[in-house]
Amino acid sequence: AQRVTQPEKLLSVFKGAPVELKCNYSYSGSPELFWYVQYSRQRLQLLLRHISRESIKGFTADLNKGETSFHLKKPFAQEEDSAMYYCALRSQGGKLIFGQGTELSVKP
Amino acid sequence: NAGVTQTPKFRILKIGQSMTLQCTQDMNHNYMYWYRQDPGMGLKLIYYSVGAGITDKGEVPNGYNVSRSTTEDFPLRLELAAPSQTSVYFCASSLDRGGMSNQPQHFGDGTRLSIL
Repeated sequence: AQRVTQPEKLLSVFKGAPVELKCNYSYSGSPELFWYVQYSRQRLQLLLRHISRESIKGFTADLNKGETSFHLKKPFAQEEDSAMYYCALRSQGGKLIFGQGTELSVKP
Repeated sequence: NAGVTQTPKFRILKIGQSMTLQCTQDMNHNYMYWYRQDPGMGLKLIYYSVGAGITDKGEVPNGYNVSRSTTEDFPLRLELAAPSQTSVYFCASSLDRGGMSNQPQHFGDGTRLSIL
């Protein structure tokens, strides 16, 4: 079965602290994974994807096939990082399977 | 470019009423999608379309219908509204190259629908 699991509904950290938003997936085959973000009162938008191996707004995510994980990390959280974060897996036909989402709250 | 535009932004329906959620995109994307997002849950795919005249069911299609007569528009129809359809609905589009959509999805602002 194809599935994406984000075990934390809410993650609260202080400004400057490291952040790791967890994402685990289930997929038979070579997965293609994404992180989407939704800031308050804004539309859902792509943050990064694993094939690009990029760092966006200080965030990185490494695909670990052995652990079937794609955790999102940032070494020093900022208040403007507060948002809902969704991990997504591309299934056959281009469809995305989303995790339940993790709300990140960065306190001053 | 406006991107993906959804209307209305909010709507309250009575049980048994019907309505159409509109979605249009001006990016000439061939792939379009409808999702619903329930509280505390991720987005679930209702229907999707890989091009004009082609639609297919997603994970939760029951109670909905779609059509894709043009590249730009992908309306979602609720025929007999039920309380279980209370949700936030998101439309998205992406550009496909070569048969498998490997481009990011662009989302609309969402439509918040309540069925009472």
